[in-house]
Amino acid sequence: QVHLVESGGGVVQPGRSLRLSCAASGFTFSSYALHWVRQAPGKGLEWVAVISYDGSNKFYADSVRGRFTISRDTSKNTLYLQMNSLRAEDTAVYYCARSPTNSGPDYWGQGTLVTVSS
Amino acid sequence: QSVLTQPPSASGTPGQRVTISCSGSSSNIGSNTVNWYQQLPGTAPKLLIYSNDQRPSGVPDRFSGSKSGTSASLAISGLQSEDEADYYCAAWDGSLNVYVFGTGTRVTVL
Repeated sequence: QVHLVESGGGVVQPGRSLRLSCAASGFTFSSYALHWVRQAPGKGLEWVAVISYDGSNKFYADSVRGRFTISRDTSKNTLYLQMNSLRAEDTAVYYCARSPTNSGPDYWGQGTLVTVSS
Repeated sequence: QSVLTQPPSASGTPGQRVTISCSGSSSNIGSNTVNWYQQLPGTAPKLLIYSNDQRPSGVPDRFSGSKSGTSASLAISGLQSEDEADYYCAAWDGSLNVYVFGTGTRVTVL
C-alpha cells in the first residue's frame, strides 16, 4: 500500500535553514506529482508547493516562493523541501502528499513538525 | 493567495443530513475539479471526494459531493458521531498556478 513518511522537522532559529524529506513506497514514484502542504497550530491547511511527476515543473505559494525549494530524487523515491530564511510564521506541521495526473492529493503522510523559534 | 470560502462550522444530530458549501472563482472551482478532505483530530487529512463527486474505495456512500459553476458542496447524510472532524475543499487555480484549500468547516455531532 501507499506510504509517505516525512522526516527532518524540529526546532530551528529564525533565519536558519532546514530540509524536510518524504520517503515514498508502495507506488510508482515517477508517475505522480508530489505536494507539500502545511498546517500551523490550530489553523487550516495551507498548500506550499508541488513538483510534477518528472520534476520539470514546480509551483510555489506566494508565502514561500524564493525561500523554499521543492525537489525529488527518483533513485531514492524521496521528495524534499529545502526551507531557507525561516520565519516564525513557517511554524507548522508539514505534510507530503501524492497527486494522480490532473487531480489533487490523494494519499498523505503523517506529517513532521517544524518550529521556528529563538 | 486566494482561498476557497467555507462556513466555519456545521452541526447536526445523529442521522441528520449536513451540507457544507465551498465558494470559489472561475479560475479554480469554475475550471478545475474539486476534492474534499476529512481531518480527524490529531491526524493527517484523508481524501473523501475527488473529481467533484467521486468517492475513493472505502469511503461510505453517506458522503457525496457536487459542483455547480464556481461552487461545490459536500453532503453527509445519516450523520454519525465518527463524522466529527474538520472538512476542507480544494482545487487547482489555473490563473495563479497554485493549489488552494478551503477555509475549513468543523462538523459537530450534537
